[in-house]
Amino acid sequence: SQQGEEDPQALSIQEGENATMNCSYKTSINNLQWYRQNSGRGLVHLILIRSNEREKHSGRLRVTLDTSKKSSSLLITASRAADTASYFCATDVDSGNTPLVFGKGTRLSVIA
Amino acid sequence: DAGVIQSPRHEVTEMGQEVTLRCKPISGHDYLFWYRQTMMRGLELLIYFNNNVPIDDSGMPEDRFSAKMPNASFSTLKIQPSEPRDSAVYFCASSSFRTLNEKLFFGSGTQLSVL
Repeated sequence: SQQGEEDPQALSIQEGENATMNCSYKTSINNLQWYRQNSGRGLVHLILIRSNEREKHSGRLRVTLDTSKKSSSLLITASRAADTASYFCATDVDSGNTPLVFGKGTRLSVIA
Repeated sequence: DAGVIQSPRHEVTEMGQEVTLRCKPISGHDYLFWYRQTMMRGLELLIYFNNNVPIDDSGMPEDRFSAKMPNASFSTLKIQPSEPRDSAVYFCASSSFRTLNEKLFFGSGTQLSVL
């Protein structure tokens, strides 16, 4: 069953603009992760944010987490053509040692 | 480290044939996961192992699917007999952490086409 759901499904922006993707989930979590998938490749881990954290940065990435709204956002600043990929959020379920469940992803296109 | 290695990268077969997908996890990783990715259903967890032992196979769609992990460095996912609806990208992932919900390392996947 789908735990996380990304929004929008697809996003197209110009190089240099910021890209914001959102993820909503249904149950309490221990942590939320974001992954990137380039076309024809496997998923690559970007960042993990724990349920007691509200914001986290990694290079041009900023992730926020609002547990009261059960939502997270991924912001990519000053986007580049190389950022073109699908982005997925993944969550566990805060009821024990459970594996990650992935959303269906946001397809980001950055136009040079 | 070479990362998670999957083979083959592409597999084209005819309905009814047996298909075997292979995975070599990152050395020292305790968890191994098999996921399937389709446009309609996204990324679905099929089965995962901890220290070579299958823990949860509730995601395996049918008895036609089976997975094994005979040792810490090798796992297979077998489909017998294969059907066109099995066409998808199959990913193997591994993790070194003591809990399931930490960072996963994915292979490049096997693109399976069943004609």
